[in-house]
Amino acid sequence: ETGVTQTPRHLVMGMTNKKSLKCEQHLGHNAMYWYKQSAKKPLELMFVYNFKEQTENNSVPSRFSPECPNSSHLFLHLHTLQPEDSALYLCASSQEAGGLTGELFFGEGSRLTVL
Amino acid sequence: AQKVTQAQTEISVVEKEDVTLDCVYETRDTTYYLFWYKQPPSGELVFLIRRNSFDEQNEISGRYSWNFQKSTSSFNFTITASQVVDSAVYFCALISGGSQGNLIFGKGTKLSVKP
Repeated sequence: ETGVTQTPRHLVMGMTNKKSLKCEQHLGHNAMYWYKQSAKKPLELMFVYNFKEQTENNSVPSRFSPECPNSSHLFLHLHTLQPEDSALYLCASSQEAGGLTGELFFGEGSRLTVL
Repeated sequence: AQKVTQAQTEISVVEKEDVTLDCVYETRDTTYYLFWYKQPPSGELVFLIRRNSFDEQNEISGRYSWNFQKSTSSFNFTITASQVVDSAVYFCALISGGSQGNLIFGKGTKLSVKP
């Protein structure tokens, strides 16, 4: 069992749909992250949660809405997306956010296609 | 500003060849950490190594070695006697006070090792 599990692995949705991505970590970490990976671009940090509190929102459009009900679970709610939002969305966790030594543990990602 | 540059977009080698992946970073902080991550086709990023800014000693782990040179702001990664299983995208990353504890990734280098 991997330490960070993401579902679904693949998602195809229309621009008017509402869907959610789920992430669960089994590592006892206190920080969780959403990253967006688009072709030919660096990984973009979207959101950071530390002890269930959002500590970073990297100018992400409001059509992406994160939710962190507890330190083990992280959701990304999707609504009225655009085709350019198609990407691999990676969830990660670490012991704590903001530290300089933190190593991130990543899930396998959710491949999103917006039609 | 914090920045990581991986100038090599794609590299293709034949099995058993040695290959070096380049990484150049920018930061004004004196305390920082450098990382290498591997992203196999399955999607998840796998942590390979962390190096702090005060330790320029080169490191070797099996077929992997890392050359950290502060004078040139480089943190290069060499795979000796490459194998097909080394095929992946490799990311160099930086974390420092200026990045508020968040990893800054390069665009990645796609390595293809052919039999």
